[in-house]
Amino acid sequence: EPEVTQTPSHQVTQMGQEVILRCVPISNHLYFYWYRQILGQKVEFLVSFYNNEISEKSEIFDDQFSVERPDGSNFTLKIRSTKLEDSAMYFCASSDRWGGQAGYTFGSGTRLTVV
Amino acid sequence: AQSVTQLDSQVPVFEEAPVELRCNYSSSVSVYLFWYVQYPNQGLQLLLKYLSGSTLVESINGFEAEFNKSQTSFHLRKPSVHISDTAEYFCAVSEGGNQFYFGTGTSLTVIP
Repeated sequence: EPEVTQTPSHQVTQMGQEVILRCVPISNHLYFYWYRQILGQKVEFLVSFYNNEISEKSEIFDDQFSVERPDGSNFTLKIRSTKLEDSAMYFCASSDRWGGQAGYTFGSGTRLTVV
Repeated sequence: AQSVTQLDSQVPVFEEAPVELRCNYSSSVSVYLFWYVQYPNQGLQLLLKYLSGSTLVESINGFEAEFNKSQTSFHLRKPSVHISDTAEYFCAVSEGGNQFYFGTGTSLTVIP
């Protein structure tokens, strides 16, 4: 069964450093997403991406964050200057249709620890 | 914005016993409802979804959920659980856009 692949599974970084979280969505999917889950809290929407541009973003997704599809297979989330409160599990997802009926396919997540 | 509440953070249950994991959402607008399951060290997997039609939806591994519009609930049930059902379960709601709203999750532990 096709799956969404995320790397690395765990990343530790120092506060103020830049990190790039990588995702390989399912090959025929057109819509891509990032979500995050701070320990003990809800899974929160960050951003959706379609046709090489952001289609929706949440209040969490401020200027510190950016997304990119640098080639035909990867989808990345960059955090420019990490803060302690960015420590969370970050999930990438993709879907073949727009909208809430699709039901995303999620990756297994990247656990980011900012120290 | 939607608010999704999963009332139970942890549910221990003996093997072969029934279980219900509760989920309530806030908005009365038309919604799509989902349950996701996360096994250890794996991603979120779609378990079942309600889009329209019959209010009772089923998964291939024996789980079912019932959409109750008046109570704004979408509780997940299974009549007899197995050890392999031990996982984290997330309820999610969509209002039709790309953004999903998740609950905090319920950790189901099946005890032999």
